[in-house]
Amino acid sequence: ILNVEQSPQSLHVQEGDSTNFTCSFPSSNFYALHWYRWETAKSPEALFVMTLNGDEKKKGRISATLNTKEGYSYLYIKGSQPEDSATYLCATGTASKLTFGTGTRLQVTL
Amino acid sequence: SAVISQKPSRDICQRGTSLTIQCQVDSQVTMMFWYRQQPGQSLTLIATANQGSEATYESGFVIDKFPISRPNLTFSTLTVSNMSPEDSSIYLCSVRSGTAYNEQFFGPGTRLTVL
Repeated sequence: ILNVEQSPQSLHVQEGDSTNFTCSFPSSNFYALHWYRWETAKSPEALFVMTLNGDEKKKGRISATLNTKEGYSYLYIKGSQPEDSATYLCATGTASKLTFGTGTRLQVTL
Repeated sequence: SAVISQKPSRDICQRGTSLTIQCQVDSQVTMMFWYRQQPGQSLTLIATANQGSEATYESGFVIDKFPISRPNLTFSTLTVSNMSPEDSSIYLCSVRSGTAYNEQFFGPGTRLTVL
């Protein structure tokens, strides 16, 4: 993996479904992994910053895991709600720069 | 957390013209960052703007095309010069949150369409 890659590109789920997406990144020289949520016409909002292999973070119904050795992170949403509809971005960070993936666009319908 | 505003929120411009985007932060910050997201692409850093010095541009971005001003610690502008349809993007400014690992707060973005 040379760049930050996210899959799937888009996802359409029903309210109440649980879902997850993947962020893959170069495992060498790892510094930090960021997850952001970006709703249309709003500012991207930081969800998690993860730095340790095996780390797991949770905020409400959203959680994330990190595997720095193999270069991937999963974001999970439990019991999706329409207000979870957004683009979810991951980024690898250094002390001076963030490198983003193209995002996963999630649409939650009733 | 920092509150960041941007003007304009969106604009439609003609080829060959220039647009200046403003970014205002509610607190003093040393560094401000300018990003763009072209359709279907990732959010990409254009440049880092430090108060009192010239901006530092990332590979593929040049000052003549994207001049940046940073007159004080709460304000910055990015100009998109001599626009072409390929400049149609969302442009965002951001600042560091002050926590570790370069976490950033972002503005709401400027959606630019070039005809």
